Amino acid sequence: DSGVTQTPKHLITATGQRVTLRCSPRSGDLSVYWYQQSLDQGLQFLIQYYNGEERAKGNILERFSAQQFPDLHSELNLSSLELGDSALYFCASSPQTGGGDGYTFGSGTRLTVV
Amino acid sequence: AQTVTQSQPEMSVQEAETVTLSCTYDTSENNYYLFWYKQPPSRQMILVIRQEAYKQQNATENRFSVNFQKAAKSFSLKISDSQLGDTAMYFCAFMKHGSWGKLQFGAGTQVVVTP
Repeated sequence: DSGVTQTPKHLITATGQRVTLRCSPRSGDLSVYWYQQSLDQGLQFLIQYYNGEERAKGNILERFSAQQFPDLHSELNLSSLELGDSALYFCASSPQTGGGDGYTFGSGTRLTVV
Repeated sequence: AQTVTQSQPEMSVQEAETVTLSCTYDTSENNYYLFWYKQPPSRQMILVIRQEAYKQQNATENRFSVNFQKAAKSFSLKISDSQLGDTAMYFCAFMKHGSWGKLQFGAGTQVVVTP
């Protein structure tokens, strides 16, 4: 157990639907990162939050949004889902905002859009 | 923009032998970090080793060591005394200092350790 908890582990949904992925960071970590892992795009950085504030944005679609709550857990919302959104979504956390020490990943949420 | 290239899609090694994975990156930055992450069949991403660009000494973690060649922009990973549990996908990753922790990953190298 890495200490980073992601729920659910698996999610199957239909095109056009909306889903929410949840992440609880490791105790004491203030930064949360979201990544998407797909066969064609590999591992792609989506977005980062530090202590409730968005700090960096990567290749995140406008249909996707995220937030970090006062208790530091984070949610990634995916809407108007398309087949191409099927992927493994990782959350990771680190104590500080820089991430230079490397960060700890959760076990991921496997999203399948049918 | 930074790019990370792993030119070996798959490598096979026997138990107790040594295998070296290559990684090259392209950047104009001088201050950055490099990482190797491991993703076993459980799909968990596990940090194997990290290197700070301003440190000339190569990082080591038990059986894992790197050969960091800053001028050549090369960051290879050596796994010594390979074990069955080392079977995994290995990703090289680059992080620019001050980038709020954004990691740029390579495509990965699948390592298969055989008995």
